[in-house]
Amino acid sequence: KAGVTQTPRYLIKTRGQQVTLSCSPISGHRSVSWYQQTPGQGLQFLFEYFSETQRNKGNFPGRFSGRQFSNSRSEMNVSTLELGDSALYLCASSWDRNYEQYFGPGTRLTVT
Amino acid sequence: GESVGLHLPTLSVQEGDNSIINCAYSNSASDYFIWYKQESGKGPQFIIDIRSNMDKRQGQRVTVLLNKTVKHLSLQIAATQPGDSAVYFCAENKGTDKLIFGTGTRLQVFP
Repeated sequence: KAGVTQTPRYLIKTRGQQVTLSCSPISGHRSVSWYQQTPGQGLQFLFEYFSETQRNKGNFPGRFSGRQFSNSRSEMNVSTLELGDSALYLCASSWDRNYEQYFGPGTRLTVT
Repeated sequence: GESVGLHLPTLSVQEGDNSIINCAYSNSASDYFIWYKQESGKGPQFIIDIRSNMDKRQGQRVTVLLNKTVKHLSLQIAATQPGDSAVYFCAENKGTDKLIFGTGTRLQVFP
């Protein structure tokens, strides 16, 4: 069974631009969660989608948004990029809440 | 507030020894705990989980212990190998999909 895939793996953007990251969950998994990982803040929860609905949201500004499609694939978008948005963005999929989450390799975003 | 913390930022062990990585959590309502291993350049890899109705769970070379009285979680790795070198995170969940991660412990294995 294929694991969680994320595209692109690396991205360089400039301040003020917007970016869209993509995540394909493990086949059969309906829940997709997004996390931001930085050296200073560690792993922080962004949001979680289940059956195309956002079920849970972390403490991030409205510039961070996401969506989930009927095939469970998910995208997250960051608008008006800031230098502090530079991070590894990780996607994780699971069967449902309180089941193990499996992570993808992440997208390394650099904002210059 | 909610937090999951780790006692030691770096743990160095000799190959073949047993490793113990500790984690403290503050929210007694958490009912599901997971240990992840993250190698450089990769996403976190699921190691083992435990639910709050258990106090011990064993996997292949790994054991997780949960002490709800003192809100403490530990990961024991038997016969540590060089391939075990990584950063280990504990995470807690309160019945949602919002995992709260600890800061991580770096495990270094020396020959």
